[in-house]
Amino acid sequence: DQQVKQNSPSLSVQEGRISILNCDYTNSMFDYFLWYKKYPAEGPTFLISISSIKDKNEDGRFTVFLNKSAKHLSLHIVPSQPGDSAVYFCAAHVNTGNQFYFGTGTSLTVIP
Amino acid sequence: DAGITQSPRHKVTETGTPVTLRCHQTENHRYMYWYRQDPGHGLRLIHYSYGVKDTDKGEVSDGYSVSRSKTEDFLLTLESATSSQTSVYFCATRGFGYTFGSGTRLTVV
Repeated sequence: DQQVKQNSPSLSVQEGRISILNCDYTNSMFDYFLWYKKYPAEGPTFLISISSIKDKNEDGRFTVFLNKSAKHLSLHIVPSQPGDSAVYFCAAHVNTGNQFYFGTGTSLTVIP
Repeated sequence: DAGITQSPRHKVTETGTPVTLRCHQTENHRYMYWYRQDPGHGLRLIHYSYGVKDTDKGEVSDGYSVSRSKTEDFLLTLESATSSQTSVYFCATRGFGYTFGSGTRLTVV
């Protein structure tokens, strides 16, 4: 059963606007969350993370928000740039566990 | 990432043949993972290792085996390849989060 879900397979945004990518999870034991970005023919690369003790983490144009009561996190990209066009995966981790659980990914297209 | 190398990058093989994919790391990370990426499924864990000769199954381990005889090398073997194993395979190590290799695109015909 998918413990981490990304319900939007794709998203298109105009350059300069905000991109919002969403992720939902079911396991309340998850305590650490990450976002990865993947270009075609490359491996995923780490983008930004957030611990469950926080509700927001910001790094330049990228901000991740965590709503633990709703078991929901989101990635905001402002302003969006054409180079941001990629597949974005969210991932979650249990402190006592050995693996990260990944969502199915959202393909973001930023239109110039 | 220069710290993780996957080989081969591409492979076409016939149904029923054994196939071995290699992952080599220079990070000296204890944990190593094999994932497969398929449309609509995201990244799914096949097997992982938490040390030399220490491995465990992930959610899609059927038809796959792994071996880790050295810290730096983690091998994934498809014992008898099937068309359902056509996929892109990623190796990863765990330091801060995961660091992924560039992937191996495997086609089973």
